[in-house]
Amino acid sequence: AQKITQTQPGMFVQEKEAVTLDCTYDTSDPSYGLFWYKQPSSGEMIFLIYQGSYDQQNATEGRYSLNFQKARKSANLVISASQLGDSAMYFCAMRRGGYQKVTFGTGTKLQVIP
Amino acid sequence: NAGVTQTPKFQVLKTGQSMTLQCAQDMNHEYMSWYRQDPGMGLRLIHYSVGAGITDQGEVPNGYNVSRSTTEDFPLRLLSAAPSQTSVYFCASSYGSGSNQPQHFGDGTRLSIL
Repeated sequence: AQKITQTQPGMFVQEKEAVTLDCTYDTSDPSYGLFWYKQPSSGEMIFLIYQGSYDQQNATEGRYSLNFQKARKSANLVISASQLGDSAMYFCAMRRGGYQKVTFGTGTKLQVIP
Repeated sequence: NAGVTQTPKFQVLKTGQSMTLQCAQDMNHEYMSWYRQDPGMGLRLIHYSVGAGITDQGEVPNGYNVSRSTTEDFPLRLLSAAPSQTSVYFCASSYGSGSNQPQHFGDGTRLSIL
């Protein structure tokens, strides 16, 4: 069975600092995708970034980057230059190739301090 | 573009009542799914569909029914509401079920069962 683990229930970061949110996953499939979503206090789920298992380079989207370490089965989200608007819940998710179910982690609540 | 539209946004039910949560998408996505979000548990998959006429169970399907008669709509039915079904429900869609497909989420339905 596939599993996503986010071990940090909550984190604080100073505004303008970088922060890393941890995500480890468990699968024996060679083909899979890893996703990060942001959920602000308003409740909507926003797709941030995607990393494929065969991708050679770490994914980046603006201030978001994904530190993908395949051998360690980790896909940590790095947010650079944190902003107050980054305060939210962040969820890591995995989708396996040829398998319709998507698995989410339990999330990390990030609070950015002015 | 509307994206994924969920109705209602809030609902209070009494134990034993039935109701249907509506979900519609206008992106011609084949894959649609329903999740429930409970504190500390992330998002858990209830049911999903890979196309019109095709549905399958997720990890927490008991007490819920779905059907998919059109590509656009994927309603979730609570057959006999129980307090344990108090939760926030999200509908999501993606172009396909491939491992590289991010999901687009509706704004959620906050459901309370008394």
